[in-house]
Amino acid sequence: NAGVMQNPRHLVRRRGQEARLRCSPMKGHSHVYWYRQLPEEGLKFMVYLQKENIIDESGMPKERFSAEFPKEGPSILRIQQVVRGDSAAYFCASSPPGQKQETQYFGPGTRLLVL
Amino acid sequence: KNEVEQSPQNLTAQEGEFITINCSYSVGISALHWLQQHPGGGIVSLFMLSSGKKKHGRLIATINIQEKHSSLHITASHPRDSAVYICAVLHFNYGGSQGNLIFGKGTKLSVKP
Repeated sequence: NAGVMQNPRHLVRRRGQEARLRCSPMKGHSHVYWYRQLPEEGLKFMVYLQKENIIDESGMPKERFSAEFPKEGPSILRIQQVVRGDSAAYFCASSPPGQKQETQYFGPGTRLLVL
Repeated sequence: KNEVEQSPQNLTAQEGEFITINCSYSVGISALHWLQQHPGGGIVSLFMLSSGKKKHGRLIATINIQEKHSSLHITASHPRDSAVYICAVLHFNYGGSQGNLIFGKGTKLSVKP
């Protein structure tokens, strides 16, 4: 059973370009979470999705950032018109369905560098 | 004040020493996670606990819900334990369903041979 997959592992973009980060959850997991780790800072929650639904996006910046988790395929975190301050490590985690708390399994992260 | 505070921020130990990392939180929680982040950046979930104590190999995690405090202990530390250890809490009031984690800033542990 493969773990949480993220790609690309490293992404370089110039200011104004778009960045698309992909996350494939563990098999059987229907909950996906995106977190951001800015340089020298702790992890911060961005968004929590279930299949085709955004459950909580309270951590998402109001502009330029969007996330989806379609019925088929990976979850996508999309950053439009990137700026230097978007440079960070973006981690995805997944957990199985159900209401009780479950361990979240983290992917290896995508390191985004904006030039 | 951060909702999740860890101490110490940095910790250097000699191989074989017993290590304790502390985590205090100020919100009601339904669960607490201890995570390990290696220098390469990958994150591994070590424990999730909501009461009492859990043990896995040389790692022990305890939580005191009344005092809003958790500790991670490493017995017989080894250089390969060198990593950042992160405490994260699942906020209680999140509608009863799974939700987002609130993270501490991490404790950077370096174990010298």
